[in-house]
Amino acid sequence: KQEVTQIPAALSVPEGENLVLNCSFTDSAIYNLQWFRQDPGKGLTSLLLIQSSQREQTSGRLNASLDKSSGRSTLYIAASQPGDSATYLCAVDNAGNMLTFGGGTRLMVKP
Amino acid sequence: GAGVSQTPSNKVTEKGKYVELRCDPISGHTALYWYRQSLGQGPEFLIYFQGTGAADDSGLPNDRFFAVRPEGSVSTLKIQRTERGDSAMYLCASSAQGQGNTEAFFGQGTRLTVV
Repeated sequence: KQEVTQIPAALSVPEGENLVLNCSFTDSAIYNLQWFRQDPGKGLTSLLLIQSSQREQTSGRLNASLDKSSGRSTLYIAASQPGDSATYLCAVDNAGNMLTFGGGTRLMVKP
Repeated sequence: GAGVSQTPSNKVTEKGKYVELRCDPISGHTALYWYRQSLGQGPEFLIYFQGTGAADDSGLPNDRFFAVRPEGSVSTLKIQRTERGDSAMYLCASSAQGQGNTEAFFGQGTRLTVV
């Protein structure tokens, strides 16, 4: 059974810092990995999708990498802003029909 | 529609009552998913539809939970004899194919509170 772990569970940084969020998974036979953002009490917003054949994806200040063989992904956020404060969730797709989520990293960026 | 729409956004019900949660996926998306998220945790899979049929319902916790998608578009998650432990955020997602190579888009969720 796939298990997804995100470290750290919570992170507080001053505005402007570059930061890295980590995601690890136990079963490397994945179709893809997706990073999401969730604001308090809201749904999930898709940030980046990395196919199993890819090693990274970039969108603006966000860069996600995937090392399938070691079961790891990182989300890099450059020049963090207070508006980046949210919970970031990593999810992997093993079977092509469902996502297994990590517990999330709660990020706070202080002005 | 422009995105996945879920109604209601909030639902408060008494223990033992029946509730229905609605999901309207992105137009043309054949795959639809339901997830449940408890406070402080990641979402957990409940059920997956490909078209009208439930292709995988292995995440439904018990037989009080049921979901339908009769015309391959809108889906309804039905919970009978609600319990306080059913209180959670219920999230719906859709994707173009559901074959593992497409992005899943989520709605804003329905916050269910059983009192």
